[in-house]
Amino acid sequence: EADIYQTPRYLVIGTGKKITLECSQTMGHDKMYWYQQDPGMELHLIHYSYGVNSTEKGDLSSESTVSRIRTEHFPLTLESARPSHTSQYLCASSGITLAFGQGTRLTVV
Amino acid sequence: GEDVEQSLFLSVREGDSSVINCTYTDSSSTYLYWYKQEPGAGLQLLTYIFSNMDMKQDQRLTVLLNKKDKHLSLRIADTQTGDSAIYFCAETPDSGGGADGLTFGKGTHLIIQP
Repeated sequence: EADIYQTPRYLVIGTGKKITLECSQTMGHDKMYWYQQDPGMELHLIHYSYGVNSTEKGDLSSESTVSRIRTEHFPLTLESARPSHTSQYLCASSGITLAFGQGTRLTVV
Repeated sequence: GEDVEQSLFLSVREGDSSVINCTYTDSSSTYLYWYKQEPGAGLQLLTYIFSNMDMKQDQRLTVLLNKKDKHLSLRIADTQTGDSAIYFCAETPDSGGGADGLTFGKGTHLIIQP
């Protein structure tokens, strides 16, 4: 049973468009994360947050930005999408363990 | 930095046992995890083990931890086609479960032969 939700599941968009990937969790977790994953490949942490108004960059440099205005919501924004941004984006939150959303598969054409 | 290593592929026949291995370098690991990722989906937590445990069993899953050798394994008994997925090993020294300290392996693709 998923308590962390990502929308959209799939997105195909043209180069130069601004996009926001949504992530919400109902578990009251303070810590939330965004990972980028190419198909069948390893996970790369691109952003994380310890709570409201806290955002940090992860291990992999990313042109995306995040915000954390509410505990349950951690959206990721790309101001100008490029084909190199094509990937799967996974949101997660943690209490004792790390729970993942279903992911958003982004294709930039 | 810390490292977690896994074989990239494992092929087993349906009905056999699958053993997925993982080695890690962080001697201060507190929690060790196994996640499963089916095609097009997020990661699903399968099981986790504390570093003061040697073994944990949950239905068809058995986790073995050799802390001296920094070796973790996941055994899936009676492997079924639905077990076909990528399995990620992960570890953290953070007892709060914070993923900023979580190190993932690159994942093992489990392939089931009929």
